[in-house]
Amino acid sequence: DIVMTQSPDSLAVSLGERATINCKSSQSVLYSANNRNYLAWYQQKPGQPPKLLIYWASTRESGVPDRFSGSGSGTDFTLTISSLQAEDVAVYYCQQYYSNSPTFGQGTRLEIK
Amino acid sequence: EVQLVESGGGVVQLGGSLRLSCAASEFSFSDYWMSWVRQAPGKGLEWVANIKHDGSTKFYVDSVEGRFTISRDNAKNSLHLQMDSLRAEDTAVYYCARSRDPSVPWYFDLWGRGTLVTVSS
Repeated sequence: DIVMTQSPDSLAVSLGERATINCKSSQSVLYSANNRNYLAWYQQKPGQPPKLLIYWASTRESGVPDRFSGSGSGTDFTLTISSLQAEDVAVYYCQQYYSNSPTFGQGTRLEIK
Repeated sequence: EVQLVESGGGVVQLGGSLRLSCAASEFSFSDYWMSWVRQAPGKGLEWVANIKHDGSTKFYVDSVEGRFTISRDNAKNSLHLQMDSLRAEDTAVYYCARSRDPSVPWYFDLWGRGTLVTVSS
């Protein structure tokens, strides 16, 4: 199985500041035939199901604010929130879907400083 | 409203069985791959199983292979998960989730609110 490792485990950022979450896969999730990275990001608020934010490593899902962006390729990926809002407090998960046994990172808890 | 609603969770004894259901509404259910994803209390997400839109293809995570069976009834817009030989480590909230892309059915754009399964000794 592809192991996804996120860093840090938790993060406190001031309102309006940038938040950066990293995700590393144990093997490349870049499929050379189409040059796509099989990597998604989700947001989970307390008591709610996960919400898809980003897929193909950098494509924002419809309705997701443009302060959320994804980057990276191969084995190293980043989710960036450019200007943290109070409603962004949540746990964030990366997920690889390169294999037919998709796996998630352990999650990063984002709080307000 | 486009939504998924799970049901069937509860407390079950070690080694017992449980059948979860997921009711889909306001989208063309038969066009989508569907999955079950679980989350142990206070833990992260684990994909469990998925099924092709016509039910012809199914995949499972290794830890449930041979114990869990995913199925669907497109006429009733419903997804099911039959769970047998339950273990303590199967205790989790089970989410029903829709695959966003029919050609790459491994990431999910619509989730239900989940149903809690507790395996008790």
